[in-house]
Amino acid sequence: DIQMTQSPSSLSASVGDTVTITCRASQDIRRWLVWYQQKPEKAPKALIYSASSLQSGVPSRFSGSGSGTHFTLTISSLQPEDFATYYCQQYDSYPHTFGQGTKLAIK
Amino acid sequence: EVQLVQSGAEVKKPGESLIISCQASGYNFTNYWIGWVRQMPGKGLEWMGIVYPGDSDTRYSPSFQGHITISTDKSITTSYLQWSRLQTSDTAMYYCARRRGELLRFFDFWGQGTLVTVSS
Repeated sequence: DIQMTQSPSSLSASVGDTVTITCRASQDIRRWLVWYQQKPEKAPKALIYSASSLQSGVPSRFSGSGSGTHFTLTISSLQPEDFATYYCQQYDSYPHTFGQGTKLAIK
Repeated sequence: EVQLVQSGAEVKKPGESLIISCQASGYNFTNYWIGWVRQMPGKGLEWMGIVYPGDSDTRYSPSFQGHITISTDKSITTSYLQWSRLQTSDTAMYYCARRRGELLRFFDFWGQGTLVTVSS
């Protein structure tokens, strides 16, 4: 299985800040990576797919980059509704493994 | 409007069997893969497996192979996740989700989740 490792596991930030979350794959996954946001007691929601494409309806303050084994999710000008847990997932090869998650909390 | 509606919460004992469901609407059910994701209490997301309703082609994560069965019934646009013998470690929230496409193999629509509690 491809291992997905996110960093940091948690971080705290303030409204208006810009934050970056990193996801590393244990082997080359090209650009087959998606970022999800999950709020407590809710299903995940896709934000960015194919490493850098914005999913329909997602605010443009979310952006993604990377290819191969190194990827980043950047959230600019944090809003109160952005405090949640973020997961990366590779869909290059089965099983489509997730990262362990990054919890973004209000400072 | 695409919707995935999952069956309600379940409380079972170890060794019992269970089937939970995910009914889809708002799109052509047979053309999109449906996947299942586990989330144990306070933990992250785990990809369990996926099924193509058009021909019942199914793929499992090695971590779950042999312990679960994923299936579909096209006539009622429903996917199922089944256990023949539950274990306490199966206690989790289970989500179904639709895969966007053949190349874009991420989940674009999700069910609301089904909480399964296994306890003696």
